[in-house]
Amino acid sequence: AQKITQTQPGMFVQEKEAVTLDCTYDTSDQSYGLFWYKQPSSGEMIFLIYQGSYDEQNATEGRYSLNFQKARKSANLVISASQLGDSAMYFCAMRPSRGYNFNKFYFGSGTKLNVKP
Amino acid sequence: DTEVTQTPKHLVMGMTNKKSLKCEQHMGHRAMYWYKQKAKKPPELMFVYSYEKLSINESVPSRFSPECPNSSLLNLHLHALQPEDSALYLCASSQEKGGFAYEQYFGPGTRLTVT
Repeated sequence: AQKITQTQPGMFVQEKEAVTLDCTYDTSDQSYGLFWYKQPSSGEMIFLIYQGSYDEQNATEGRYSLNFQKARKSANLVISASQLGDSAMYFCAMRPSRGYNFNKFYFGSGTKLNVKP
Repeated sequence: DTEVTQTPKHLVMGMTNKKSLKCEQHMGHRAMYWYKQKAKKPPELMFVYSYEKLSINESVPSRFSPECPNSSLLNLHLHALQPEDSALYLCASSQEKGGFAYEQYFGPGTRLTVT
């Protein structure tokens, strides 16, 4: 069974500082993808970043980077130079690359990030 | 272009009404999804269509009826809903190719209120 755990229900960060959002996962699949999504109060889920389980380098997309530690089964999101517009709910998700449920995404419970001016 | 569109944005319906939610994507994605999301919770998977065939139904009550008329369109037909069905309904799509875990792209959602 797949399980995604986000242990920080809410976090505060000062504008322009960096912040790390934690995500651990449990899967018996050998090949999978890890994702982070941002959901502002408007409701739309915005794809931020992807990490493949066989990727040796950590993924980066602008101010977002994914700190991937495969042995520890963690995929933390790092946001550098926080902006007020980063205030939102953030979800970590996982999808197997193959197998019966390879179309299924598994989501964590989310972390509400508040950026303070 | 990574756009998924959904209509309507807001919907208020009575428990005896029949309504439909619509979703459209033109990214050539062959997997399409319906999710239900309550406030401050993660999206909850309802249905997955793969190449226009229903591949996953997460034991959703029959008052929700999905339909995939073609590879770009996804509908969710609603009938005799309950107040607890009030939620944000999100549509998503993804490429589908075995051996690679593609990301999903979401639409803006439909906020449904059942009175």
